[in-house]
Amino acid sequence: EPEVTQTPSHQVTQMGQEVILRCVPISNHLYFYWYRQILGQKVEFLVSFYNNEISEKSEIFDDQFSVERPDGSNFTLKIRSTKLEDSAMYFCASSTDGTAEAFFGQGTRLTVV
Amino acid sequence: GESVGLHLPTLSVQEGDNSIINCAYSNSASDYFIWYKQESGKGPQFIIDIRSNMDKRQGQRVTVLLNKTVKHLSLQIAATQPGDSAVYFCAEGGAGNMLTFGGGTRLMVKP
Repeated sequence: EPEVTQTPSHQVTQMGQEVILRCVPISNHLYFYWYRQILGQKVEFLVSFYNNEISEKSEIFDDQFSVERPDGSNFTLKIRSTKLEDSAMYFCASSTDGTAEAFFGQGTRLTVV
Repeated sequence: GESVGLHLPTLSVQEGDNSIINCAYSNSASDYFIWYKQESGKGPQFIIDIRSNMDKRQGQRVTVLLNKTVKHLSLQIAATQPGDSAVYFCAEGGAGNMLTFGGGTRLMVKP
């Protein structure tokens, strides 16, 4: 069964450092998303991406965040200068169209120290 | 330090019983609603969805009911099994390709 894969599974970084979280969406999907979940809290939308551009973003997705689809398979989330409050599980998701079910990856646990 | 997490409502059921998990959504303009299951340390897993022009949809052992009048969504799980133990989130979607997740309910199945 096709699945969304994310790497690494766990990333520890020092405050102020840049991190790049990587995702390989399902191959025939056209919409890509990043969500985050702070420990014990609800899943929060960060950004959606379609046709090589951001289609929607939340208030959380400020200038410190960026997304990129550098090739035909990867979808990345970059945090330029990490803060302690960026510590969370980051989930990548993809869907065939914007209204279909979104398939989520296993997540990357980001710990900022 | 760590932020204090949400206190999740918990539903505890006996194996074999039916479970009903409820969700109140906020946006009357949402086009569709999805139930996700999240096991510890894993990403949300799609269970079932329903469009806003429907009021009921059935899957394998699961049924979703939508009441737009009171903006209420429910997930019914028939013959609940230990493997159903997880946190269940409802999510609403619409224009903009984003999902808004609810706070979640923890389902515990007692053998």
